[in-house]
Amino acid sequence: NAGVTQTPKFQVLKTGQSMTLQCAQDMNHEYMSWYRQDPGMGLRLIHYSVGAGITDQGEVPNGYNVSRSTTEDFPLRLLSAAPSQTSVYFCASSYSRSTSTGELFFGEGSRLTVL
Amino acid sequence: AQRVTQPEKLLSVFKGAPVELKCNYSYSGSPELFWYVQYSRQRLQLLLRHISRESIKGFTADLNKGETSFHLKKPFAQEEDSAMYYCALKDSNYQLIWGAGTKLIIKP
Repeated sequence: NAGVTQTPKFQVLKTGQSMTLQCAQDMNHEYMSWYRQDPGMGLRLIHYSVGAGITDQGEVPNGYNVSRSTTEDFPLRLLSAAPSQTSVYFCASSYSRSTSTGELFFGEGSRLTVL
Repeated sequence: AQRVTQPEKLLSVFKGAPVELKCNYSYSGSPELFWYVQYSRQRLQLLLRHISRESIKGFTADLNKGETSFHLKKPFAQEEDSAMYYCALKDSNYQLIWGAGTKLIIKP
């Protein structure tokens, strides 16, 4: 049981390049989400999904795309990287977003630098 | 506006001393609050949630609706408590709103 697996752990991009951050979970969780963490700020929600085929925008969705073709996978795509997207990205999942337990299971994070 | 504030970026205390990590929130409804922790080289993980009224690793947190606070407390700090601590509020859309975090350092 690996939990939430994110790849890559580190990535350096040039402005304008595209890339995909991968996220997979093996806990059969309905809810998956992507956050970014910037210095001095709390985690901010980029996109989330409440099940296969269903995605929605979070607080800071611009410049990012997601899809959820399977329960297990929730990739985050940067279409045309910008220096403002330099951040640490976290994928997180939970059984259901609407339960009061609220426990999110996190990946290890992906540190992205855009030059 | 819904907001979570952790006023201290860094808190440094000696081993054995009491610890209080502050969390204040702004929310118009009935809040659900959580504390998450990230130890060095480990993943962010849930520490405790107010609805469970539990004590985890000696930590407790009481929801004070009058003061809109959810401070995390431990009577006697241990070196293994050194970590980043995040307070989070679940909003009406079931999303978590996060504080900026407090880095806790326990000095030997």
